Amino acid sequence: EAQVTQNPRYLITVTGKKLTVTCSQNMNHEYMSWYRQDPGLGLRQIYYSMNVEVTDKGDVPEGYKVSRKEKRNFPLILESPSPNQTSLYFCASSPGVEQYFGPGTRLTVT
Amino acid sequence: DQQVKQNSPSLSVQEGRISILNCDYTNSMFDYFLWYKKYPAEGPTFLISISSIKDKNEDGRFTVFLNKSAKHLSLHIVPSQPGDSAVYFCAASARNSGYALNFGKGTSLLVTP
Repeated sequence: EAQVTQNPRYLITVTGKKLTVTCSQNMNHEYMSWYRQDPGLGLRQIYYSMNVEVTDKGDVPEGYKVSRKEKRNFPLILESPSPNQTSLYFCASSPGVEQYFGPGTRLTVT
Repeated sequence: DQQVKQNSPSLSVQEGRISILNCDYTNSMFDYFLWYKKYPAEGPTFLISISSIKDKNEDGRFTVFLNKSAKHLSLHIVPSQPGDSAVYFCAASARNSGYALNFGKGTSLLVTP
């Protein structure tokens, strides 16, 4: 089944404790991206990757890092999480403009 | 600044009637528009799209209309069904920005029996 998977689905952590949210797709898409969804703000792009080893900032990249060492994986790294990064995170991949989203990761930073 | 705007946070429609969800945009460089549907605890799923060279695209019960001069698009669902109850996001993309999507804030649709 063609899908985008994210892990973990839920995470509660404390300020400053480094964490990684994994994202994997099995559709051989070159383009992958990360979004966060906050109440009243819709979805905002954090980072995207056009291909392996090619990444770029989206609209809200501060406090996040990404890497793209393999085509199928695009992890999101929070080196020092802060409470304002409490949000619902979505990974997406696409062969073109129409992006396919993962199920989401709900992150709470206390 | 929000380049894609969905000014109605919520909409309630009776089953069998038409649902009309609206979206406005400000960036004239946008040339591809999409609608996504999102259920709670799930990721957004692609619903329907339209290129700026068209003014209408239809897929079953779903039709998207684009009015470029007004920078406005709308999603029509006919007939509405209770299973259509979800949050609908409008998104736009510009050719020169790669595949980046600019999303609206979403409209929560409730279809009542």
